[in-house]
Parts: sequence; structure tokens; C-alpha cells
Amino acid sequence: DAMVIQNPRYQVTQFGKPVTLSCSQTLNHNVMYWYQQKSSQAPKLLFHYYDKDFNNEADTPDNFQSRRPNTSFCFLDIRSPGLGDAAMYLCATSRDREYQPQHFGDGTRLSIL
Amino acid sequence: GESVGLHLPTLSVQEGDNSIINCAYSNSASDYFIWYKQESGKGPQFIIDIRSNMDKRQGQRVTVLLNKTVKHLSLQIAATQPGDSAVYFCAETTLYSGGGADGLTFGKGTHLIIQP
Repeated sequence: DAMVIQNPRYQVTQFGKPVTLSCSQTLNHNVMYWYQQKSSQAPKLLFHYYDKDFNNEADTPDNFQSRRPNTSFCFLDIRSPGLGDAAMYLCATSRDREYQPQHFGDGTRLSIL
Repeated sequence: GESVGLHLPTLSVQEGDNSIINCAYSNSASDYFIWYKQESGKGPQFIIDIRSNMDKRQGQRVTVLLNKTVKHLSLQIAATQPGDSAVYFCAETTLYSGGGADGLTFGKGTHLIIQP
């Protein structure tokens, strides 16, 4: 059974049109992460939530924001997508900061028209 | 559309042979390392992990070796099977006691191809 669920699996949006990707987890983990993975590249951490505390990576563009309304759900908002934001977006969870490994969903592939 | 990505290093092995995938890391403060397997269209799947107080750890058909002196990590897969075809990533992080940890930093990845 899927434990980290990402919807939708494929998302198409227009240049500059805001888009939201969603992630839910059934593991009751405290930490949720968002990664960006471009074609043939490694995943790159954008930010993470430890419970309700938001932690942004220094080089994550301002265009990317996140919300975590409760333990189970986390959202990635891209305010004004550019062509360079086309990528796979991966959500991951871990039980807490000290306990790894992270468990990944199957990602949402975002295309920009 | 998507930008053209980098070509991943490729390792081609015969079915039944052993595979060794290597990874160099740069952060000497990293103390926790993970190997992930990623199949096409899927998220990374945990294979095995190791903490910096160990230099070897074995799982089912897999072994991870850690050499902290030269900051090198390897994944050995015994008796490689067609289902092992995937991209393999090493990842590193630093664990802090008392709450707090960095996110994972992934290596570049290696595409493992199994030949019949």
C-alpha cells in the first residue's frame, strides 16, 4: 500500500499560471520534504517541515512555497512557473529529524506550456 | 519544456554477475549515508543505509561499504537480476542529536543496466 501519495502524477500548467502539487502520508511522520528532480539529475531539496516548522533551503527560489495544514498533508505552491521549473517533484517523509531514512512518493511530473 | 539533463554514468553488467556502484561525497561532516534505487517514473526506493561509525553493512543481496578517509561509498549487489535495472543514488546527511538534521544531499546517480 502506498504510504506517501502524490497527486496528480502528471500536471500541465501554463507559463506564469500558479500551480499546486499535493502530498499525503499515512505514516504519521513528523517531517515532510519536497525535492525537485530534473531529467537525468539527482533530487534536490527545496524545503522541509518538521511538524509545523518550515525550513527553507538557501537556494530555493522565492517562487516556491509550501503549506502543511496538518500532519498528513503537505502542498507545494509554484506562484509563477517558468520553463525552467519543469521537473519531477518528489515528496518524502521521515519519522523525525534524527530518524532516517526518508520514504518517497512516486512524484508529480510538472510540464510547463 | 524540460531542459536537457546530464547523461548519467552507466554500468552494464551480465545477469548473475556482481555489481559495484561507487559514490564520492564531499561533506566530511556527513555521518549518515543511504543508497536509493529509482526506477523509471517512480520515486527513490530505500535500499540500505549506514552510519559513520560503521564501515560495512549487509542486507539481502546488497552490501554497503564506507571509507571515511577518502569520503567514498560503494554499493555491491550480488547475483544481479533483471529487476535490479534502475538508477542508483547515494545520499548523505548529518544527524543531530536533540532534534535537527539536514535534508538529504544526493549524488549524481548511476544507471545500472543488466544484460541477459
